[in-house]
Amino acid sequence: EVQLLESGGSLVQPGGSLRLSCGASGFTFSNYAMSWVRQAPGKGLEWVSSISDSGSGTYHAASVRGRFTVSRDNSESTLYLQMNTLRVDDTAVYYCAKVGGRTPAGPFPLDFWGQGTLVTVSS
Amino acid sequence: ETVLTQSPGTLSLSPGERATLSCRASQRISSSSLGWYQHKPGQPPRLLIYGASSRAAGVPDRFSGSGSGTDFTLTISRLEPEDFAVYYCQQYGTSSWTFGQGTKVEVK
Repeated sequence: EVQLLESGGSLVQPGGSLRLSCGASGFTFSNYAMSWVRQAPGKGLEWVSSISDSGSGTYHAASVRGRFTVSRDNSESTLYLQMNTLRVDDTAVYYCAKVGGRTPAGPFPLDFWGQGTLVTVSS
Repeated sequence: ETVLTQSPGTLSLSPGERATLSCRASQRISSSSLGWYQHKPGQPPRLLIYGASSRAAGVPDRFSGSGSGTDFTLTISRLEPEDFAVYYCQQYGTSSWTFGQGTKVEVK
């Protein structure tokens, strides 16, 4: 059974930093691309970042480019999201999701999702 | 960036009725790169349809997807109580993904 467990969400001040983690099990982590998707309070889903199976390819939404960095440790089956220079509008539940193939640039959907972790940016 | 516009914003229906949800893209996208997700409060989103018309594992056959080019549709043939939720379309054909703003299917 595929399981994705996010952690690291908390309350942080504007301008601060946070690192989210996502532990994966139930599948061969190194064979699949992974992504982060967020949902701000009362809003819809917003794609944030994706990373290829090897970690060589990373992609970020324009709204977070230059501030967020996605990475992975295949030996630990863990996905990360380093978030710097956080803003109030980064407040959201952040979901880790498994891509159905090796690369985010291929036609593969998000086939499994974690429960999410809440990030609150406020002074 | 490809913008996805979903309509209607809210659909008020009774159990047993048919639901038809629309997703329109700002530019042509490949049918293989269009998916639909169901999202209920307090739960993670669930993949329903990928490649515009293929059902994900375990998805009941009352859910079906269709469309091509810029116009895509999710149909729920007969609404069950557990189907009342928010539905999102998503394009994943490039390295920059986008979601529609969602359609809420609520009990009339």
